[in-house]
Amino acid sequence: AQSVTQLDSQVPVFEEAPVELRCNYSSSVSVYLFWYVQYPNQGLQLLLKYLSGSTLVKGINGFEAEFNKSQTSFHLRKPSVHISDTAEYFCAVSDSNYQLIWGAGTKLIIKP
Amino acid sequence: DAGITQSPRYKITETGRQVTLMCHQTWSHSYMFWYRQDLGHGLRLIYYSAAADITDKGEVPDGYVVSRSKTENFPLTLESATRSQTSVYFCASRSLGSSYNEQFFGPGTRLTVL
Repeated sequence: AQSVTQLDSQVPVFEEAPVELRCNYSSSVSVYLFWYVQYPNQGLQLLLKYLSGSTLVKGINGFEAEFNKSQTSFHLRKPSVHISDTAEYFCAVSDSNYQLIWGAGTKLIIKP
Repeated sequence: DAGITQSPRYKITETGRQVTLMCHQTWSHSYMFWYRQDLGHGLRLIYYSAAADITDKGEVPDGYVVSRSKTENFPLTLESATRSQTSVYFCASRSLGSSYNEQFFGPGTRLTVL
């Protein structure tokens, strides 16, 4: 069965600094990968997705992620974070039954 | 353009009471899902539905009941609430044609069981 691991439960970073949120998944023949963002007291919103093609995927709000098949990773990055990026970020993979398998989430904490 | 809505947004109840959480979507999406979100567990699937009158268990179905008589509604019932069911509940939907399973989420219901 598929599994998703988000290696950090919290990531503190200074405003305007770069950030990387890590996500690893168990290998599969083919995967569809997602990052969702959850702002405080809100539902989840799709940030970006990898379906096929270019391994570098760009999403909303300046975020991007790189699919690395050999390392079974899909890390999320942003070159310069803002206070408005404070949120919890979830990585997910679509399994063969078209269910989404979720990571435990990473809280991004922006320090002024 | 309402999308997907949940009601109530907040609910406090007592152990043993029956509680129903409502979910409504305006996209005519075939698939609908119920998740619970707890600290340290991320999102866990409770039940899902592939179409009206078709439902199936997810990872944590015990203590919950669902129904889907209409495509747009997917209520979740806690027949006899327990404190361990204190959580934030999210409803989601996706279209039948979405082969990669992008899901759209409601705003959530925060349930407290005393």
